[in-house]
Parts: sequence; structure tokens; C-alpha cells
Amino acid sequence: DTGVSQDPRHKITKRGQNVTFRCDPISEHNRLYWYRQTLGQGPEFLTYFQNEAQLEKSRLLSDRFSAERPKGSFSTLEIQRTEQGDSAMYLCASSTPDRGGNYGYTFGSGTRLTVV
Amino acid sequence: AQSVTQPDIHITVSEGASLELRCNYSYGATPYLFWYVQSPGQGLQLLLKYFSGDTLVQGIKGFEAEFKRSQSSFNLRKPSVHWSDAAEYFCAVLYSSASKIIFGSGTRLSIRP
Repeated sequence: DTGVSQDPRHKITKRGQNVTFRCDPISEHNRLYWYRQTLGQGPEFLTYFQNEAQLEKSRLLSDRFSAERPKGSFSTLEIQRTEQGDSAMYLCASSTPDRGGNYGYTFGSGTRLTVV
Repeated sequence: AQSVTQPDIHITVSEGASLELRCNYSYGATPYLFWYVQSPGQGLQLLLKYFSGDTLVQGIKGFEAEFKRSQSSFNLRKPSVHWSDAAEYFCAVLYSSASKIIFGSGTRLSIRP
């Protein structure tokens, strides 16, 4: 068990560019979550998958954001036409199927996005 | 709306002193409660969790938390803090009827030498 991996750790992009982040969950975890965290705030829910199905999306997830989880394994989060307000830490987490399971969510180290 | 409140934005305690971080959640059926810690630029690490049973739960790094249903609280405590405990602490709740963890806004802990 290598934990939840996120790539890249840091991303600096120019406004208007597209970016894509990857998350590799713990292999036996069926659920995968994306959260966004801005400076001084707690993580805010964006979306989650159970296996390959995207079951819930937050209103925070505008049409510039899209997430996929092909084959129920890794997941990608893409942001199109980035804006400065998208600058944040993007956190991925995975869990067992039982509403967080016995261990709560396991979080990755996050991807820090800076839009300049 | 379901929410978590951490009333203290920033707390400073002396090394070796006791610590209590407050957390209140909005009413909901059968909450599952968590405390996470985050060091600067890092992801979140689970300190402890409450699902059911004994309302006093023990976690890692010497932390404990007590669930008080009557007060809708889940305060985090540590009898003697160490300089390495300086970090951001997040309380979180998962309701049985919901599908995702909701986080509080966090409490930043500073340690005075």
C-alpha cells in the first residue's frame, strides 16, 4: 500500500491554459474524491466517484472543470481556460465503500496550482 | 445546512502546556467525526475518528477527542504539546445520509518555546 499519489505536486500555468492533474488511489478503495483548498480554508468538496461512476458534483465545479476515472482506477481532473481564482491546492482522497470506512479518507499530498 | 464550525482561527500555546481545539457540528443523524492535521504544503493526515461506541477516542501522536452529542461537539485535546505539533487542524464530519466529508475552516496551532 503506497497511499494516495498525486501528480504533479506543483503546477504553474498561465491564465487561459488548460491543466490536468492525476490521482492514483489506494488500490482496494472504490471511492475517489476531489477537494479544493484555498489558503486559510478547509478543503471544499468538488466531486466523487464510486468505481468509474461520477456520483456527485459540487456547484463549485464549473463547466471548465471535468473529472474522469476510467476503469475505476486512477482519476484525472482537468481545468480548461484557467483563471487566477483557480489557484489552490487540489486534494485527492480515497476510501472504502462504507461511507469513509473504518479508516476515514486517505488523502494524497495534493497538487498546488498557481495561475499567473 | 450541514456544517462544521471551528470557532478558533489561531491558537498559541506554550510547549508542554495542554491543548484543546473546539469543534461543533450541525445537527444530523449519526455523525461520523474526524480530526485531521495538515503541515504547510502537505496533504491531510488522519489523527483520529469517531464512528460509534466509547465517546472518548484515542488517536495518533498522543491526541484524543471526546464526542458529546448533547453539545454537538467533538473537541480535540492533548495533555502536553510539542513544538512539532504546530500545524493546521481540521475537524470534519460525515453524515450517514451523505456521501462526502465536510470540513471545518481549520484552527492554526502555534507553539511558544
